[in-house]
Amino acid sequence: EVQLLESGGGLVQPGGSLRLSCAASGFTFSSYAMSWVRQAPGKGLEWVSAISGGGGNTYYADSVKGRFTISRDNSKSTLYLQMNTLTAEDTALYYCARATRFCSGGTCYYQYFEYWGQGTLVTVSS
Amino acid sequence: QSALTQPPSASGSPGQSVTISCTGTSSDVGSYNYVSWYQQHPGKAPKVMIYDVSKRPSGVPDRFSGSKSGNTASLTVSGLQAEDEADYYCSSYADSNNFGVFGGGTKLTVL
Repeated sequence: EVQLLESGGGLVQPGGSLRLSCAASGFTFSSYAMSWVRQAPGKGLEWVSAISGGGGNTYYADSVKGRFTISRDNSKSTLYLQMNTLTAEDTALYYCARATRFCSGGTCYYQYFEYWGQGTLVTVSS
Repeated sequence: QSALTQPPSASGSPGQSVTISCTGTSSDVGSYNYVSWYQQHPGKAPKVMIYDVSKRPSGVPDRFSGSKSGNTASLTVSGLQAEDEADYYCSSYADSNNFGVFGGGTKLTVL
């Protein structure tokens, strides 16, 4: 059974930092791209960042580029999101999701997120 | 990286059909058959209902169907049931970030 368990959320002051983790189990972690998707309270889903299975390719939404860093440790089947210079607009429930992609000719295309964790809440407030 | 455009709400009576639209651009929906739809009940994680425009994952009822024309994708729910009441989000591969983008979401109400 595929399981994704996020942790690391909490209350942080504006300008602060936080590192989220997502422990994966039930599948060959290194074979899949992984992603972070967030949802602000009462709002819709927003794709945040993604990383290829081997970790060599990373992708970011404009809203977090330069502030957030995605990484993974395949030996620990764990995904991370380092979040710096946090603002109130980053307050959200952060989901970890496993991405299915189609790759051809050196290009990979995100198809869908088949598995999601239950999320970890990040609150940025003074 | 603009979000895909969805109507904020949709509704239908039990047994009826409802269609939710998702409008993107030639840089996402219009150029790729990698559109997916997610159902989210309150307090729950999203669940994929449709992928690759019109494919259903195992276990998703065939009452759910997807299609695409030009820059607009659509999700149709036929034979509406009470449990279909939820938020629905479309998503697509996007050139802008070489990964994905979501729509703003549509709240489906079963009257």
